Amino acid sequence: KAGVTQTPRYLIKTRGQQVTLSCSPISGHRSVSWYQQTPGQGLQFLFEYFSETQRNKGNFPGRFSGRQFSNSRSEMNVSTLELGDSALYLCASSLDLAVQETQYFGPGTRLLVL
Amino acid sequence: SQQGEEDPQALSIQEGENATMNCSYKTSINNLQWYRQNSGRGLVHLILIRSNEREKHSGRLRVTLDTSKKSSSLLITASRAADTASYFCATGRSGYSTLTFGKGTMLLVSP
Repeated sequence: KAGVTQTPRYLIKTRGQQVTLSCSPISGHRSVSWYQQTPGQGLQFLFEYFSETQRNKGNFPGRFSGRQFSNSRSEMNVSTLELGDSALYLCASSLDLAVQETQYFGPGTRLLVL
Repeated sequence: SQQGEEDPQALSIQEGENATMNCSYKTSINNLQWYRQNSGRGLVHLILIRSNEREKHSGRLRVTLDTSKKSSSLLITASRAADTASYFCATGRSGYSTLTFGKGTMLLVSP
């Protein structure tokens, strides 16, 4: 079974631009979560989607948004990029995180904002 | 916000030695999971222990959970250089569709 895939793997943007990251979960998984990882803050939860509905959102500004499609693939968007948005963005999927299933992570998208 | 706190922040040992990492958390949990991350890459799931379990084994890994002390430990026996990575604990709570991660322990295993 293929693992979680994320595209692109690396991205360089400039301040003020916007970016869209994509995540394809493991086949059959309906829960997709997004995390931001930085050296200073560690792993911070962004949001979680299940069956196209956002069930939980972390403490991030409205510039961070996401969505999930009917095939469970998910995208996250960051608008008006700031230098502090430079981070590794990780996507994880599970059968249903609300019933405490194991999350499986993708390799991440490393975003650098200049 | 971070719920789990790993201890120590960094650990350096020789191949063949055992490595023990600890995780403390603040609220009641449904399960606790340990993950490994090699430098700048995705997280690999190691083991999940539920709140009604006290100990689990997986290969060279042994995880314990003490819900009365709100703490868990991960023991890696007979460490190898390939075990060099950061290790994170993550807690899940019933009814919450999120995991909360600690800041991790960086383990360096020298040949």
